[in-house]
Parts: sequence; structure tokens; C-alpha cells
Amino acid sequence: AQKITQTQPGMFVQEKEAVTLDCTYDTSDQSYGLFWYKQPSSGEMIFLIYQGSYDEQNATEGRYSLNFQKARKSANLVISASQLGDSAMYFCAMREGRRGSTLGRLYFGRGTQLTVWP
Amino acid sequence: GAVVSQHPSWVICKSGTSVKIECRSLDFQATTMFWYRQFPKQSLMLMATSNEGSKATYEQGVEKDKFLINHASLTLSTLTVTSAHPEDSSFYICSAGTSYYNEQFFGPGTRLTVL
Repeated sequence: AQKITQTQPGMFVQEKEAVTLDCTYDTSDQSYGLFWYKQPSSGEMIFLIYQGSYDEQNATEGRYSLNFQKARKSANLVISASQLGDSAMYFCAMREGRRGSTLGRLYFGRGTQLTVWP
Repeated sequence: GAVVSQHPSWVICKSGTSVKIECRSLDFQATTMFWYRQFPKQSLMLMATSNEGSKATYEQGVEKDKFLINHASLTLSTLTVTSAHPEDSSFYICSAGTSYYNEQFFGPGTRLTVL
């Protein structure tokens, strides 16, 4: 079974609007971390936001917020006030393992290509 | 955040030659480094996990003798594609983990084209 599922191959949003990118995950671990990365056409992977499985509050970083619903195993990324520069591929990822460990591998979803239009 | 560099950023080589890609953590010590391969419009595929001073752990289906990984220090890991063939053409990205941060930090990637 896939560890990370992103069901939206492509999304379109108008500038200044909000957009939600879906991500569901599958793990039997109690401790895990969820990540979102942005990959523009240049190829670099840019870290956006992190949510730990024990964090009670949804993570927020500027215009990015993570809608974490543990019971549903979903970790959707919400981008508010979209900008043209947000056009990129977005990957959801998960790391399983003991709390605080950064040494485990990441499992990536297939990605969602976001296009922001004026 | 921390910075990871990769060199070269792109390389074109003839079939049969070997290519070395370096991944460096510039301002932190990376206990663990990861090597990924990415085909156009696809996700990242983990090739191997590299710990300083020990042998790399390869993912199933990745040829160890084809993709040699060396993690000689806490700031440097190298990936050598031996006897490269056109099917090895891809985008190779490294990442590094440290206990100070939750996230892994990615290098800018290396685009390999084998003619």
C-alpha cells in the first residue's frame, strides 16, 4: 500500500485565492512526521511546513498551513492568498520513527502540480 | 535553515564513463544523507541511505555496484554512477538530516545526461 497518497495530479487557482492540496498517509506507527515540499521547475526541493504526529495544533508557516486530521490520516496543505510564484510541484512526505528522529527516510507522494493564474 | 550543496549541477557524459556527484552540508554536520533519483514529472525515488563512516543502505532494485555511495565525513557524501548508460540519465538529488531540525535539507540536484 502507498504510504502517501496525493490524488490531485494538477490544481489551478487564481491569484490571491486560497487553495488546498490533499494528502493522505498510511502508517501504523504512533510517532511520525509529515512534511510538505515545493519543487519549482528549477528542481530544488524547498521545505514548507512540518507537522509532528503528537502536535495538537495545526502547523502554520506564513501563508502555508497544514490541516492535520489524525483520525482521517490526512495532512492537507492550505496556501492562502496564492501568488504567481507559487506555481510549482508540491510533494507531501512522511517520516516514520521515534519522536524527534530525523534520521529516517522520507516517503513521498506523487505530487500535485499547482498552477496559479492571474 | 541549513544549506546543502551539490556539484555538479549538470553533467553530460558519454556512455561507459563514470560520473561522480558530490553532496555537501555547508553549515551543519549531517549524520545521515539520502540519495534520490527523479524522472520528469515523477516523484522522488529513494536510492540509498548513507551514514557517515559506514556502508550505504540501498533500496530494493538499486544496483550497489552501479551506484557507489561514499559518506567519508559528516559533511560530504558522494554518488558515483559507474559505466553510465543512457538509461541512467535522470535528476539526482541528495538530502541531509541532522538532529537539530525536523526536516531534511535538499541539495539543488544534478541533472545527468548520458549520450
